[in-house]
Amino acid sequence: GAGVSQSPSNKVTEKGKDVELRCDPISGHTALYWYRQSLGQGLEFLIYFQGNSAPDKSGLPSDRFSAERTGGSVSTLTIQRTQQEDSAVYLCASSPTSNSPLHFGNGTRLTVT
Amino acid sequence: GDSVTQMEGPVTLSEEAFLTINCTYTATGYPSLFWYVQYPGEGLQLLLKATKADDKGSNKGFEATYRKETTSFHLEKGSVQVSDSAVYFCALSLAGGTSYGKLTFGQGTILTVHP
Repeated sequence: GAGVSQSPSNKVTEKGKDVELRCDPISGHTALYWYRQSLGQGLEFLIYFQGNSAPDKSGLPSDRFSAERTGGSVSTLTIQRTQQEDSAVYLCASSPTSNSPLHFGNGTRLTVT
Repeated sequence: GDSVTQMEGPVTLSEEAFLTINCTYTATGYPSLFWYVQYPGEGLQLLLKATKADDKGSNKGFEATYRKETTSFHLEKGSVQVSDSAVYFCALSLAGGTSYGKLTFGQGTILTVHP
């Protein structure tokens, strides 16, 4: 069946611009996670959605980062006023419940010039 | 805070060699432990897991045992194949509750297996 789908696969943007990254989780998965994979920091947790509960935003690095999940399905990660240090691969993952292993998408590679 | 320390790579082996990738952790609670693998051009996928002390996770010939006394979860395989070439990540999460998928990852170890 279909896995976690992320779009775009690659995004190049100029410093200071806003970007939106999209994640389509596996149908029926109630938990959705965003991670960032960068050379300097490795894999870092950003934010977690579980059903209708308030999201766990404890990993967001600054207030330029935000995410929403509409209708308990698709999620969008928004980065405002992008900086060069935001360049990374942004990974989305979903799982059937909060106590299940994660299924990761292939990621969006963001390059800020 | 919680952290995971992985053996530095890259690791280069010949086919059929024995593999060990070391992983140790620091955690305030009682974590679940995982190994994730990222094959070239693919997304991260779960390789194996263990949720309590002395549990052994295994999959595809890989094994790792949760050692609470040494806070370790070393990955082993008796005979590697070229197709095992990938990046391997050790990770932990707080067991149960809403934190199961809120993972803390190690830095990753690149494994290359030559024929």
